[in-house]
This record gives sequence, structure tokens and C-alpha cells, in this order.
Amino acid sequence: DIQMTQSPSSLSASVGDRVTITCRASQDCSNSLAWFQQKPGKAPKSLIYAASTLQNGVPSRFSGRGSGTDFTLTISNLQPEDYATYYCQQYYSFPVTFGGGTRVDI
Amino acid sequence: EVQLVESGGRLVQPGGSLRLSCAASGFTLRSYDMIWVRQAPGKGLEWTSYISRFGDTVYYADSVEGRFTISRDNARNSLYLQMSGLGAGDSAIYYCARAFSSGGVVVDLWGQGTLVTVSS
Repeated sequence: DIQMTQSPSSLSASVGDRVTITCRASQDCSNSLAWFQQKPGKAPKSLIYAASTLQNGVPSRFSGRGSGTDFTLTISNLQPEDYATYYCQQYYSFPVTFGGGTRVDI
Repeated sequence: EVQLVESGGRLVQPGGSLRLSCAASGFTLRSYDMIWVRQAPGKGLEWTSYISRFGDTVYYADSVEGRFTISRDNARNSLYLQMSGLGAGDSAIYYCARAFSSGGVVVDLWGQGTLVTVSS
């Protein structure tokens, strides 16, 4: 199984900040990497797939990079509605696996 | 409106069985692969099962293999998860999610979730 490790597990940031979250895979997963956002008490929301492709309707302040084993999610100009937990996920092979999550708060 | 709505979650005793449903609306279910993902209270996301568009291919996480069965009825625009031999470790919110194939299974739409609690 491919293990996904996110860092940091939590971070504090202010509105307007640039935030970067890292996700590392235990094996090469090409660019089969997705990012999700989850707010408390809500279902996850799909943000990015193929490491860098935004899902429909996702603001352009979200961006993703990487391939192979190292990936990043960057939120530029952090907005109040961006405070949430973010998860990476590899879908290169089954079992699909998620990172442990990164909580972004004030 | 394009959406997925889960139902069927409830309190169930250890060793019991439960069937979850996921109703799709606003799109044609047979055009998509589907998965179930669960989230234990205060924990992260865990994939449990996958079914291809026409149901000819299924995959399960080791943690549910042999106990859970994923199925679909495209004519009814519905997805199901039959769960048996439930234990405390299966207590979670269960989400169904829509996926398309692009270098793997890409999730683009989630349901709101249904809560399963396993307790005596």
C-alpha cells in the first residue's frame, strides 16, 4: 500500500497569508494525487486532481504541484472561508490512501 | 441540482448488519465509478470500497474485505453498501462519492454522509 504523509499536521495563519502544505508518498504515484478540503461537520470537497488541475469552481488562489512522491498544496491570499482541514489522496493504485490531514486555523 | 444523498445509517449492535444507500440526482449514475469513504469521529478519511460504472469491477480495503459488499443499481440511480459483522471500529460517517477515470479514480463529488454507530 502507498502511505501518504502530510506536514504539518496543523498550522496557524492569517487572512492574506500564503500557506503551503506538503504531502509525501511512500512510493511513486506519478501525478495521481488529489487534494480535498473539509470544514467541521461538513463533507469533504474536491479541490485538485492530477496534482495540479483545479476542480470546477475552485478559486485560483488554490494551486498544486509535484509528481512522483512529493507534492504541495498552496493557498495564496488566504481567505476566512479557507480555514479547514486539507487532505491529500493518492489514486495511482488501490487501495486508495489519504494523508492524515492538515488543519489550517487562525 | 447535482448531488448525492446517503441514508441508512443508525445505531447497530456489534456483530450486526446494515445497508447504506446513496441516491444520485442531477446526473446519470452509470457514467461514473463510485466509492465509499468513511471517517471515524475526530479522525481522517479512509477509503473502503470501489465499484466501476457497470459494477463489473469492485475493490475493498483490507479492513472491510469479506464483510462489506458494494453494489449499484444504475436504473434506480442508486449505490449501496451492505455491511455485516460490524464492530466498534466501523463506527463512522460514511460518505459516497462520485469518481471519473483519469490516471486513476478521481473523486469530484461527495454526499453529505450518513452516521453509523456500532454499540451495545
